[in-house]
Amino acid sequence: AQSVTQLGSHVSVSEGALVLLRCNYSSSVPPYLFWYVQYPNQGLQLLLKYTSAATLVKGINGFEAEFKKSETSFHLTKPSAHMSDAAEYFCAVNLGAGGYNKLIFGAGTRLAVHP
Amino acid sequence: DGGITQSPKYLFRKEGQNVTLSCEQNLNHDAMYWYRQDPGQGLRLIYYSQIVNDFQKGDIAEGYSVSREKKESFPLTVTSAQKNPTAFYLCASSPSDNSYEQYFGPGTRLTVT
Repeated sequence: AQSVTQLGSHVSVSEGALVLLRCNYSSSVPPYLFWYVQYPNQGLQLLLKYTSAATLVKGINGFEAEFKKSETSFHLTKPSAHMSDAAEYFCAVNLGAGGYNKLIFGAGTRLAVHP
Repeated sequence: DGGITQSPKYLFRKEGQNVTLSCEQNLNHDAMYWYRQDPGQGLRLIYYSQIVNDFQKGDIAEGYSVSREKKESFPLTVTSAQKNPTAFYLCASSPSDNSYEQYFGPGTRLTVT
C-alpha cells in the first residue's frame, strides 16, 4: 500500500537556521509528490510539487525539495528560517493513475521558529 | 478572485443533530474532495467526486453523506451516525489537466457537544 511518512511531528529551529523537514514515501509506481503548508485554522497552501521533471524543485517562500528515488525521499529545506515559517507542513503523494487524483498525506510536521 | 469557499468557519451542534457543511468553488474544476483533519493524523479522505452526479466513498465515509448536483458545489452532511464528528473539515478541488494537485478551501471547524 502506498504511504507517506514524515519523520518528526515537531521540529524547532532558530531564526536564520536551516530548515529540514523529512518525508519518505512508499509507492510501486513513479509518484507525484507535494508539500503543503497550513497556518492555524486555515486551509492548505501548495508549497511545491514534483511531477517527474527536475529532481530539485523550488517552491514559494524560499523552500525547495529534492526527489531521491533511491532513498524514496522528498525532504523539504529552506536555508534560513523566518518567524513567518512557523506552521504545519504536510507531505503528500499522488499516484496519478486511473484519472483520480487521490492524495495520500503524511501526519504532518509542526515547525516552530525561535528568535 | 477564483477559489474555494467553505461556510461557516465555525459550527457548533448538539449531539444527535445532522449538520451540513458548505463547499463552493469557482475554479471550474471537475473533481472535488472532502477531508477530515484531526490533530496528529494528517488529512483523511471522506468522499470525492470526479463529475457532477457522481461521488465515491473515501477512507472514512461512515456517518457522512454528500451530493454533487452542480459542478461548483459539493456539500457534506455529518449525520448523527458519525461517532466522533468534532474535527476540522477541509474541502478541495482539482482540475482535469493531469497537474495532480489539489486546491484547498479555508476549512470549517465543527464542534459537537
